[in-house]
Amino acid sequence: RKEVEQDPGPFNVPEGATVAFNCTYSNSASQSFFWYRQDCRKEPKLLMSVYSSGNEDGRFTAQLNRASQYISLLIRDSKLSDSATYLCVVNGRNAGNMLTFGGGTRLMVKP
Amino acid sequence: EPEVTQTPSHQVTQMGQEVILRCVPISNHLYFYWYRQILGQKVEFLVSFYNNEISEKSEIFDDQFSVERPDGSNFTLKIRSTKLEDSAMYFCASSEAHTGVAEAFFGQGTRLTVV
Repeated sequence: RKEVEQDPGPFNVPEGATVAFNCTYSNSASQSFFWYRQDCRKEPKLLMSVYSSGNEDGRFTAQLNRASQYISLLIRDSKLSDSATYLCVVNGRNAGNMLTFGGGTRLMVKP
Repeated sequence: EPEVTQTPSHQVTQMGQEVILRCVPISNHLYFYWYRQILGQKVEFLVSFYNNEISEKSEIFDDQFSVERPDGSNFTLKIRSTKLEDSAMYFCASSEAHTGVAEAFFGQGTRLTVV
């Protein structure tokens, strides 16, 4: 089983749509969870951390289910500028410093 | 806004040659990292560095690789004898504290092409 697994997509959605991405992770000892955004051939940039109680940042909502080892990201009112690859990231084994990345889910928002 | 800077942006090298990839982490950060991303694949951890020593490394980071902080500002990744499969984007990152509590900021990357 992959350490962090995501549906690669692409998700093609119209502007204004709501879209949800899911991610599962295999290491039950993982303690920190993140969503990063990566534009084509650019570096990953932190979108938001994911907290156990769930958290929201504007149009973005992240949820964590530790029992199911499942993380989600919801984007409301999609903008053209949201087109990117969304990376599910887990702070590594034995609570070390290593970040483990999923393969990413590609989102394309169309006019 | 402070940022992690990497040089060069693109490096082409012949198989078997040594390359050094350079990074200037954010100045007050204490933890430094190298990641790589082969084209079309996921970002993979190579190594983390704290208090002037390697704190963690992956299976990818074998004897061909080494890291160094030669002065107070630079952080380098050396690949001793490059192979074709080392072709990838290499990202340097830094964080103020452990990634469990602090954001890791990534540089714009160095694209390494081994021919």
